[in-house]
Amino acid sequence: NAGVTQTPKFQVLKTGQSMTLQCAQDMNHNSMYWYRQDPGMGLRLIYYSASEGTTDKGEVPNGYNVSRLNKREFSLRLESAAPSQTSVYFCASSLSGTGRTDTQYFGPGTRLTVL
Amino acid sequence: AQSVTQLGSHVSVSEGALVLLRCNYSSSVPPYLFWYVQYPNQGLQLLLKYTSAATLVKGINGFEAEFKKSETSFHLTKPSAHMSDAAEYFCAVNGASGTYKYIFGTGTRLKVLA
Repeated sequence: NAGVTQTPKFQVLKTGQSMTLQCAQDMNHNSMYWYRQDPGMGLRLIYYSASEGTTDKGEVPNGYNVSRLNKREFSLRLESAAPSQTSVYFCASSLSGTGRTDTQYFGPGTRLTVL
Repeated sequence: AQSVTQLGSHVSVSEGALVLLRCNYSSSVPPYLFWYVQYPNQGLQLLLKYTSAATLVKGINGFEAEFKKSETSFHLTKPSAHMSDAAEYFCAVNGASGTYKYIFGTGTRLKVLA
């Protein structure tokens, strides 16, 4: 039982390049989330998917797109990377799409640097 | 709207001393509150959560937190700090009915001095 896995662990991009961050969970959770973590700003929600087939914008969606490929996988795409997107990206999942008390389970993160 | 405020971005305590990390929340509906811990180069993991069943919540690794509605607070405590407690701690709220959005605080980095 691997929990939430993310690939890659580290990535360096040049401005304007594109890439996709991959996330998968093996806990049969319905909801999945993408966050970015920046110093002094905590975690900010980029996009979330309450259930398979649905996605919604979070607090900071500009410059990103997501795909909920199936129940297990939720990918985050940067179409044209900018230095402001340098951050640590975390994927998370939770059991229920409606459970306000649900625990979120986090992946180990992807450290992205955009030059 | 919901929000959480963590007072003190950095806190230092001596090994064996009391740990107190502060969190105040704002919510227009009864909140559900969480404390997560992040060890270096890892993702976040749940320490404890308040779901309205009991105001004093016990978590893992000897941590506990008390929900105080009158003070809109959910401070995290541990009687005796251990070197392994050095990490970043995040308070979060999920207060809005019908949404799946958790609002995280900006985090408090705990340093434990030998």
